[in-house]
Amino acid sequence: SQTIHQWPATLVQPVGSPLSLECTVEGTSNPNLYWYRQAAGRGLQLLFYSVGIGQISSEVPQNLSASRPQDRQFILSSKKLLLSDSGFYLCAWRPGYGYGYTFGSGTRLTVV
Amino acid sequence: RKEVEQDPGPFNVPEGATVAFNCTYSNSASQSFFWYRQDCRKEPKLLMSVYSSGNEDGRFTAQLNRASQYISLLIRDSKLSDSATYLCVVNIVSNTGKLIFGQGTTLQVKP
Repeated sequence: SQTIHQWPATLVQPVGSPLSLECTVEGTSNPNLYWYRQAAGRGLQLLFYSVGIGQISSEVPQNLSASRPQDRQFILSSKKLLLSDSGFYLCAWRPGYGYGYTFGSGTRLTVV
Repeated sequence: RKEVEQDPGPFNVPEGATVAFNCTYSNSASQSFFWYRQDCRKEPKLLMSVYSSGNEDGRFTAQLNRASQYISLLIRDSKLSDSATYLCVVNIVSNTGKLIFGQGTTLQVKP
């Protein structure tokens, strides 16, 4: 069966520090992968999506970047965090058209 | 206009009540529809897909009205454990498979 792993679960980082969040999917190949952010009390905002290795599309211009170095690995990064980067970051994958997403358990990031 | 709109609530209902949520979407090319459930400080989880003919899963019934571009979720015999935020989700036809999420409707079931 397919599973999605996301870590760490929580993170407290100072302003200006770098960020790296990792997401991996098991049990499938060539999944569509997504990074979302949910700010406190807000809806889900799509940040990046990838349909294949090395293919990244950005939805919102911002302080973040994403990479897909392997088929089932999706990484979210920042060189210098801002206070506004705080939020709940969720990785998701989808088996194919017509299916819903399966989300990872998320990373709660607090920038201080 | 938001692509997917929901009444944020909260909906406060007693146990055993029937409650209905509606959601409207703006893009008539939307092809796939879902309801997700999100518990406090947790990831969203797929509750059910929504089919044109309507579909039921236990106490939950989902309906789609393409002409009016709205989706509904009916919960019968509400349980305390149904308390959560319910997200309406729409997929517009594309090769990226991006899903558009509504802001969510909060349900609080009281004893």
